[in-house]
Amino acid sequence: GAVVSQHPSRVICKSGTSVKIECRSLDFQATTMFWYRQFPKKSLMLMATSNEGSKATYEQGVEKDKFLINHASLTLSTLTVTSAHPEDSSFYICSAMASGVGSEQFFGPGTRLTVL
Amino acid sequence: GENVEQHPSTLSVQEGDSAVIKCTYSDSASNYFPWYKQELGKRPQLIIDIRSNVGEKKDQRIAVTLNKTAKHFSLHITETQPEDSAVYFCAASRGGGNKLTFGTGTQLKVEL
Repeated sequence: GAVVSQHPSRVICKSGTSVKIECRSLDFQATTMFWYRQFPKKSLMLMATSNEGSKATYEQGVEKDKFLINHASLTLSTLTVTSAHPEDSSFYICSAMASGVGSEQFFGPGTRLTVL
Repeated sequence: GENVEQHPSTLSVQEGDSAVIKCTYSDSASNYFPWYKQELGKRPQLIIDIRSNVGEKKDQRIAVTLNKTAKHFSLHITETQPEDSAVYFCAASRGGGNKLTFGTGTQLKVEL
């Protein structure tokens, strides 16, 4: 099956620093990638939709200058949390979708971000 | 936009019993309805999905039913086992490259 990786799996940083999370599709080309945020015992909340070569589409209430998304190639999308604060601590999960292959999204393993 | 509601939020069953989780959606243009199982700290795993051109789909102990008119769909797990314990999410999408909208999740606990 299709494999999506995320790096790092876990990161702890100080308040005010920026953190970059990578999402890679390992065995397929992902024309669309999605970034989700999940708080403990809560559902997945879509943050943005990223299409290769174009600007990301952010969901209402998500600050695009705070959460920078770059989908530079068909196998890589990055999410940068800028000037992170404790309230940004969360589980961030990406998913990837290949063109012409139904509607299934393949999820990465997630990144646990803790901001001190 | 799409709104997906999911019930119940928690469900406890005895091993061997059946479990049913229900979801409703609001967008009549939605045509793809996946179900995910998520264990603590792990990625969501697709367990079954259904498209709007069918009313029911089954895969061993798992089945999903869809009522397009009423805009609701349900997950049925038969002969539950302890390893079925997890959080289950329903979702809805317009298909293609469109986004998924997730339900609020159901914590299923299968007791011995």
